[in-house]
Amino acid sequence: RKEVEQDPGPFNVPEGATVAFNCTYSNSASQSFFWYRQDCRKEPKLLMSVYSSGNEDGRFTAQLNRASQYISLLIRDSKLSDSATYLCVVKRNAGNMLTFGGGTRLMVKP
Amino acid sequence: DAGVTQSPTHLIKTRGQQVTLRCSPKSGHDTVSWYQQALGQGPQFIFQYYEEEERQRGNFPDRFSGHQFPNYSSELNVNALLLGDSALYLCASSSLSGGLYEQYFGPGTRLTVT
Repeated sequence: RKEVEQDPGPFNVPEGATVAFNCTYSNSASQSFFWYRQDCRKEPKLLMSVYSSGNEDGRFTAQLNRASQYISLLIRDSKLSDSATYLCVVKRNAGNMLTFGGGTRLMVKP
Repeated sequence: DAGVTQSPTHLIKTRGQQVTLRCSPKSGHDTVSWYQQALGQGPQFIFQYYEEEERQRGNFPDRFSGHQFPNYSSELNVNALLLGDSALYLCASSSLSGGLYEQYFGPGTRLTVT
């Protein structure tokens, strides 16, 4: 079983739609959580950190459920430019190693 | 302010050969991590260098080795290349001494092994 699991998609949604991605992690020692965005043939870039109380950044909302070891990302009012792969990432406090999920591909259509 | 740079951008090698990839961290960063990303998968951690020493290592064989120089730049070496080593190799920098744990990724080196 992979340490971080995501639905690979693709999620095909129309512009303006709301879409949600989920992610589960297996290692309870995981302490920090992130969503990265990766455009086709580019490097991953940090989208947002995920905090226990949940956090929002514009149209993006991230939630963490430590008891269920579950992370989510909600994108409201999808734009064409949101088309990308979204990577769920966890980090244990011991060291600075990032563990990535396989990514969820989002395609926003006009 | 230059970000993370990697060279070369693309590379084609034959099975059994050896390859060296290079990374220069973002200005002010002292820590370099290397990741392998196979097509359609998320990046996998190879190892991390800090103060010219390997500090953490992922589940990769000894064919994968690295080095960090006094100027914080780093090299990734892969010996006895296999077809399965074909991937995008990403370098990420951060600043452990500065408490800046966010990792910034370079554009990667795409390695094809034939």
